[in-house]
Amino acid sequence: QLQLQESGPGLVKASETLSLTCTVSDGSISSNSYYWGWIRQPPGKGPEWIGSIYYSGSTYYNPSLKSRVTISVDTSKNQFSLKLSSGTAADTAVYYCARGKQPVNWFDPWGQGTLVTVSS
Amino acid sequence: QSALTQPASVSGSPGQSITISCTGTRSDVGGYNYVSWYQQYPGKAPKLMIHDVSNRPSGVSNRFSGSKSGNTASLTISGLQAEDEADYYCSSFTSSSTLVFGGGTKLTVL
Repeated sequence: QLQLQESGPGLVKASETLSLTCTVSDGSISSNSYYWGWIRQPPGKGPEWIGSIYYSGSTYYNPSLKSRVTISVDTSKNQFSLKLSSGTAADTAVYYCARGKQPVNWFDPWGQGTLVTVSS
Repeated sequence: QSALTQPASVSGSPGQSITISCTGTRSDVGGYNYVSWYQQYPGKAPKLMIHDVSNRPSGVSNRFSGSKSGNTASLTISGLQAEDEADYYCSSFTSSSTLVFGGGTKLTVL
């Protein structure tokens, strides 16, 4: 059964870049049937879609974050990554990676999530 | 893009049916059949329960069903069980080619 696992620093200083990696296991990230996405959820709030990527490298970003976001894929490692620049306290959230059937629709399954705190 | 509107909380007794609403606009919920629903337990990742308005993924109980009328989508849970107590979120594709989520509804099983 496909599993996703987020990894990266849990604490980032304000103005610096948040970097996370999602490792996919028991399945290939190169499948031509799926997209791979990042979603975040601030404490006590609803989720927010950050962006998605196809194994070929095609990316789809939330316009509200597009200027600060880069999502990339490494098919040799079965991983995809997120970089969010110029971090502020508003970026503090649990960050999830997930698989999607389309780039901007539903996601299933999700990783367990990782809390990233941006502090000054 | 504004978040979709959900009631903050709903409650019901075991065996009853409850419905959670998700209200958007013609630019999201009303304009596309791309509404999904997620169940989330405290400290856990969201789990997909319904996609594309009314489709249930394999393994999800048939007590969960989805529908849409105009700009409002709904999730109905029939035969309420204690294990259904969780937070529920809706999401929708939007005309800006982005995905918007609701603020979440806390379901309490009395």
